[in-house]
Amino acid sequence: AQSVTQLDSQVPVFEEAPVELRCNYSSSVSVYLFWYVQYPNQGLQLLLKYLSGSTLVESINGFEAEFNKSQTSFHLRKPSVHISDTAEYFCAVSGATGRRALTFGSGTRLQVQP
Amino acid sequence: KAGVTQTPRYLIKTRGQQVTLSCSPISGHRSVSWYQQTPGQGLQFLFEYFSETQRNKGNFPGRFSGRQFSNSRSEMNVSTLELGDSALYLCASSLSGQGPGNTIYFGEGSWLTVV
Repeated sequence: AQSVTQLDSQVPVFEEAPVELRCNYSSSVSVYLFWYVQYPNQGLQLLLKYLSGSTLVESINGFEAEFNKSQTSFHLRKPSVHISDTAEYFCAVSGATGRRALTFGSGTRLQVQP
Repeated sequence: KAGVTQTPRYLIKTRGQQVTLSCSPISGHRSVSWYQQTPGQGLQFLFEYFSETQRNKGNFPGRFSGRQFSNSRSEMNVSTLELGDSALYLCASSLSGQGPGNTIYFGEGSWLTVV
């Protein structure tokens, strides 16, 4: 079984400040890791994913996440946030073998203030 | 290219009734998955269909069922509705399944309120 823990339910931050959204996972098998973003009244959009290879993955809008196997973490970072980044962010894991349904964390609401 | 389309977007049902939600995947996508999102339980996997066959199932009671048609469109049904079934139901599609090589695209969801 897999589980995902997002340590912060809400993260308030000022515009242009850096931000880190924390994600830890638990699994008995190798995993793939994802970050999804949900804007108000919308579905989920894939932000970035780690499958294999380089442990640092980047999205097109400036977010990055680093897979740390020893700490079982996949924290999401952005060096300078914008008002438009205000949204709910979900970390998710799926098994590399066997059942590959996504297991989601509880989400972190990023609130960017001017 | 149209995205994942879910209908209806909003609906209100009474306890004990049943509801059917519809999902049209992205053209060419053969896998459709359903997720339930609630404030208390978060996002939970319901089931996945691929080529009209249920391939994966989450931990939900038998009141929750689904099916997929030959054109990959999918429906999910919840019978004997309970207040706790109030949720956002999200449909997701991908080319051939939930393997990570297949990016999963989500619809905007169907908001179900049970009163």
